[in-house]
Amino acid sequence: GAVVSQHPSRVICKSGTSVKIECRSLDFQATTMFWYRQFPKQSLMLMATSNEGSKATYEQGVEKDKFLINHASLTLSTLTVTSAHPEDSSFYICSARSSHGYTFGSGTRLTVV
Amino acid sequence: SQQGEEDPQALSIQEGENATMNCSYKTSINNLQWYRQNSGRGLVHLILIRSNEREKHSGRLRVTLDTSKKSSSLLITASRAADTASYFCATDGETSGSRLTFGEGTQLTVNP
Repeated sequence: GAVVSQHPSRVICKSGTSVKIECRSLDFQATTMFWYRQFPKQSLMLMATSNEGSKATYEQGVEKDKFLINHASLTLSTLTVTSAHPEDSSFYICSARSSHGYTFGSGTRLTVV
Repeated sequence: SQQGEEDPQALSIQEGENATMNCSYKTSINNLQWYRQNSGRGLVHLILIRSNEREKHSGRLRVTLDTSKKSSSLLITASRAADTASYFCATDGETSGSRLTFGEGTQLTVNP
């Protein structure tokens, strides 16, 4: 089946720094990647949809200048949290659609201190 | 934006009992899916039911869909302690394109 590899699984960063999260589709081409954020004991909230070779589409209320998404190839999409603050601490998950349906990465636990 | 509501928010049962979780949604859908998430982990796809289907089975899982009521249920029979996790429904619909919209989730605890 389709596999999406997400790294890192955990990251701790200082307030004001930037963090990059990568999602790779290992055995299929992902023209579209979805990025979600999940706060403790809550559901997944879609942040943005990235399309290979074009600008990402952000959901209402998500700052595009703070959450930079790059989808430069059919197998790699990255989310960069810029100038991170403690309130950005969350669980970030990517997802890609393939012929097998939706496949999710294993998630990244971001802690901003 | 979230369109799904799930109930109960939390469910605690004994091993061997059945667990039923419900999900409601607001807009027309193409498919409804159920996912499982262990604490701090990614999502695992459990089952997909199409809008023209009413019931589907997979092992100990049974999913129903009532498009007139815009609701779905997930039944886990003969539950095991390993079934302890959060369960989410997710829909993709005519107005959402290929995006999945998730319900609020049910935290299931199966006590040994």
